[in-house]
Amino acid sequence: QSALTQPPSASGSLGQSVTISCTGTSSDVGTYNYVSWYQQHPGKAPKLMISEVSKRPSGVPDRFSGTKSGNTASLTVSGLQADDEADYYCSSYAGSNTFVFGTGTKVTVL
Amino acid sequence: EVQLVESGGGLVQPGGSLRLSCAVSGFTLSSYWMVWVRQAPGKGLVWVSRLNRDGISTGYADSVKGRFTVSRDSAKSTLYLQMNSLRADDTAVYYCARDTGGAFPDWGQGTLVTVSS
Repeated sequence: QSALTQPPSASGSLGQSVTISCTGTSSDVGTYNYVSWYQQHPGKAPKLMISEVSKRPSGVPDRFSGTKSGNTASLTVSGLQADDEADYYCSSYAGSNTFVFGTGTKVTVL
Repeated sequence: EVQLVESGGGLVQPGGSLRLSCAVSGFTLSSYWMVWVRQAPGKGLVWVSRLNRDGISTGYADSVKGRFTVSRDSAKSTLYLQMNSLRADDTAVYYCARDTGGAFPDWGQGTLVTVSS
């Protein structure tokens, strides 16, 4: 149950785009399409942004999009806004009723 | 409106026990998988445990297997996490969340567990 690998930080200017990678293994990301992405602001509970690799829950702007290729999933935030500055975590089902989260990425809006 | 409210956190000595509760409203507890997730101070999210809709099938992170037990009382709409043999590295904010099948759209506000002598 090793954590999925994410870059510690990512940044982009207002209005630009940023893409965060999430690398797992053939035991989690590579096998299951139950990859989710969460946004967490300081002191707050996480918020679901993407489920099942690329599905956006109601209320999440279409500026957020997800993809997957092999053992790596990615989250892209387009048209960066100040409020997008937060920590982002990926998560994947890993079989046998277990999940694993990513190491987390701090997104800075310049 | 879906709500999840955790309670039961606090300061406990190493080797001690604690039971966390997660009272839910706005949905039927027995109709959903439920998970516990923790976050050590200044650290990332770590999945801890899952309880299936049947209320029987469970899953645990290796780091808590054999020490933590997840359960529920459907009549009380409450999810529990019994934590035994607590260690310093169990110190974290513990969140419960509704699992809609591989994604966690609803979270509580978290309860802090501090393991220290």
